[in-house]
Amino acid sequence: QKEVEQNSGPLSVPEGAIASLNCTYSDRVSQSFFWYRQYSGKSPELIMSIYSNGDKEDGRFTAQLNKASQYVSLLIRDSQPSDSATYLCAVNRRANTGNQFYFGTGTSLTVIP
Amino acid sequence: SQTIHQWPATLVQPVGSPLSLECTVEGTSNPNLYWYRQAAGRGLQLLFYSVGIGQISSEVPQNLSASRPQDRQFILSSKKLLLSDSGFYLCAWSVRAPPYNEQFFGPGTRLTVL
Repeated sequence: QKEVEQNSGPLSVPEGAIASLNCTYSDRVSQSFFWYRQYSGKSPELIMSIYSNGDKEDGRFTAQLNKASQYVSLLIRDSQPSDSATYLCAVNRRANTGNQFYFGTGTSLTVIP
Repeated sequence: SQTIHQWPATLVQPVGSPLSLECTVEGTSNPNLYWYRQAAGRGLQLLFYSVGIGQISSEVPQNLSASRPQDRQFILSSKKLLLSDSGFYLCAWSVRAPPYNEQFFGPGTRLTVL
């Protein structure tokens, strides 16, 4: 079983719609959770971090965490063509050997003008 | 504020040649440092991580090695490159800053082995 699983997509939404990206993780001791945006040919950019159950909002982005279901999601409201990218879900576990991070393979999002 | 640098940005090397990629972090002390590789259309593969000077953990046995000669410097090396070493190499850093312990990536080096 993979540590972090995401639907690879591609996911297509019309401009102005809500894009919903989902992620599940396997280890219950995972402590914090992240969404990265990666444009083609560029490095991943951290856009949302969450560590407690519930919703966290930042502008058009809302991260949702449900630890009981081991589920993390990212909602993008009023989607724009500039949101077209691959979105990576990641989880963090702290260990004696340092911070450990585990990544999903990413979901490709296309926002259609 | 913290900044992470990687160089070179792009590199084309022949099979069998050596490799040295460098990563430096500014604005933080005692970071955890990481090397990842991303093959075309693929996910991130963790290659090495380091929690301090001279401390390297290898995640995948291969012809690559890593060193951390200074607190904020992380180097990825190879004595002889293989075709399969082509990819996008990303350096990242994090610090223990509960509850988030966020990780940030450098701009990356795109390596093509011919």
